[in-house]
Amino acid sequence: SAVISQKPSRDICQRGTSLTIQCQVDSQVTMMFWYRQQPGQSLTLIATANQGSEATYESGFVIDKFPISRPNLTFSTLTVSNMSPEDSSIYLCSGGGQSYGYTFGSGTRLTVV
Amino acid sequence: KQEVTQIPAALSVPEGENLVLNCSFTDSAIYNLQWFRQDPGKGLTSLLLIQSSQREQTSGRLNASLDKSSGRSTLYIAASQPGDSATYLCAVRPPRNTGFQKLVFGTGTRLLVSP
Repeated sequence: SAVISQKPSRDICQRGTSLTIQCQVDSQVTMMFWYRQQPGQSLTLIATANQGSEATYESGFVIDKFPISRPNLTFSTLTVSNMSPEDSSIYLCSGGGQSYGYTFGSGTRLTVV
Repeated sequence: KQEVTQIPAALSVPEGENLVLNCSFTDSAIYNLQWFRQDPGKGLTSLLLIQSSQREQTSGRLNASLDKSSGRSTLYIAASQPGDSATYLCAVRPPRNTGFQKLVFGTGTRLLVSP
């Protein structure tokens, strides 16, 4: 299965600023996803990152707040825009294909102050 | 809508015990089921993947079973160690024609293994 490198691993940001998180996969994967995990909670899917086209967002998440890029089958970025303390979470990317399971990046722990 | 539940929510055992974590899902039409481990503040590590046509998978001290008809999976951990302390998540993947790509996660079981 694929290995995903995610960075940064953590950051502390000022409110009103933006942070871009990157995920690099060591092989081509069909699907890539972005999740948010708030303290003490399970994972919430933000969007599916589509290669070469706009991401597909889940209910409650919008492109202006969480723009996503996926220029090829091995790389994707998530930007958290105009941050507020409520955006403090762990953000995770995931990737995989049809015949094998999904793997996850190591996560980005974001604190907004 | 698929719902995935894990029991117990938390478990504390002494080192060396064998233990079972439970995962149940409401819709038996799944593509596969995956067990993950998550350490605090970290990403998810895939432990075992069971395709819908399989009954079980084994990796070292871990054994996962799948009973699709009853909507259940179990993760068996043999001879538990303090390093097994983590949150364990199960996730089901729907079949191709119904949101094929997106995993549905369980609520997780927090495991603490004491020396």
